Amino acid sequence: EDQVTQSPEALRLQEGESSSLNCSYTVSGLRGLFWYRQDPGKGPEFLFTLYSAGEEKEKERLKATLTKKESFLHITAPKPEDSATYLCAVLVYGGATNKLIFGTGTLLAVQP
Amino acid sequence: DAGVTQSPTHLIKTRGQHVTLRCSPISGHKSVSWYQQVLGQGPQFIFQYYEKEERGRGNFPDRFSARQFPNYSSELNVNALLLGDSALYLCASSWALSSGRFDEQFFGPGTRLTVL
Repeated sequence: EDQVTQSPEALRLQEGESSSLNCSYTVSGLRGLFWYRQDPGKGPEFLFTLYSAGEEKEKERLKATLTKKESFLHITAPKPEDSATYLCAVLVYGGATNKLIFGTGTLLAVQP
Repeated sequence: DAGVTQSPTHLIKTRGQHVTLRCSPISGHKSVSWYQQVLGQGPQFIFQYYEKEERGRGNFPDRFSARQFPNYSSELNVNALLLGDSALYLCASSWALSSGRFDEQFFGPGTRLTVL
């Protein structure tokens, strides 16, 4: 069964304290891996797409990397405005459809 | 360009009632997907539509149905509401069904459904 697991469930950082979030997956027919940011009560905001092992993408203080079994979202020198839930999803294509399978997210709190 | 829009933003219903949620995709996007997000969980896939045809269905009962219109907007219908249907319902649009690097799905703000 296709599965996506994120860790840790929650992470509290001091402003400027760098860390990494993990997303591990076991799926068949992987088409891509997505990272989203979600603020309370809002829809997920697209951050990155990664398609192949070894690929890296960067945006401001965030950097996403992908291996064959997991992805990491590195946060460098975070600020309080980076506080949000970070969701990882894998795009699986089977037959005539593609769908996103999400993990449960990592709730990040950055304290000033 | 406007992003994905959804209506209404909030909705309160009672058990047994029916609800219709609406979604307008990003201009030029032809595929719409629906997700249910229960508090504290990641979104769960419900349906995908492309060119007005259902192309994928998640593990949801037949009480859930959807359709896509010629202008690519979509409706999600839920019949015989249960307390457990209370959730944030998200719509996502993408350029095509599957076109390699055009698979990115962009989400709307969601409709918060509360069933009493």
